[in-house]
Amino acid sequence: AQSVAQPEDQVNVAEGNPLTVKCTYSVSGNPYLFWYVQYPNRGLQFLLKYITGDNLVKGSYGFEAEFNKSQTSFHLKKPSALVSDSALYFCAVRDSGNTPLVFGKGTRLSVIA
Amino acid sequence: NAGVTQTPKFQVLKTGQSMTLQCAQDMNHNSMYWYRQDPGMGLRLIYYSASEGTTDKGEVPNGYNVSRLNKREFSLRLESAAPSQTSVYFCASSRMEGAGELFFGEGSRLTVL
Repeated sequence: AQSVAQPEDQVNVAEGNPLTVKCTYSVSGNPYLFWYVQYPNRGLQFLLKYITGDNLVKGSYGFEAEFNKSQTSFHLKKPSALVSDSALYFCAVRDSGNTPLVFGKGTRLSVIA
Repeated sequence: NAGVTQTPKFQVLKTGQSMTLQCAQDMNHNSMYWYRQDPGMGLRLIYYSASEGTTDKGEVPNGYNVSRLNKREFSLRLESAAPSQTSVYFCASSRMEGAGELFFGEGSRLTVL
């Protein structure tokens, strides 16, 4: 069975600094990996995904994520954080079969002006 | 496009009452999902429907039933609500089972007293 770990409940970063939100996963076979963002009182919005190909995936709002197979990680990054990036971020994974997405517990990102 | 629409947005129930959460999508997606979100627990899958006419249990199905009424609509029913079912419920859809990203509704906040 697949699983996702987001080791940090909260990440604080100053505006303009780079940010990283960590994610590690466990699946049988090749992983399909996703990042979602949730703003207060809203549903989740898709940011980016890795299916195959280049290990560095670019997504919405200037976010990117790096797939590292040896470390089973898929960390979310952004070179320069904005206050408006403050939100709850979820990593999700599934295997390459027809199984539903499994979500991590989420990491709350706070960008301080 | 409306995307994924959930009703109601808010509901308060007494223990033992029943209710149905409605979900409809207008993206012609094959697969639909019900998740619940609880603090510190992330999103947990309740039930999903890979295609019209099929439904399967997720991680936390006890106390819930679902109906895939047609390709557009997927409802979640609580037959006898319990305080442990106090949560925010999200419906989501995807183009095909597991392969594409999920599109989420805005959520339904349920309180069981």
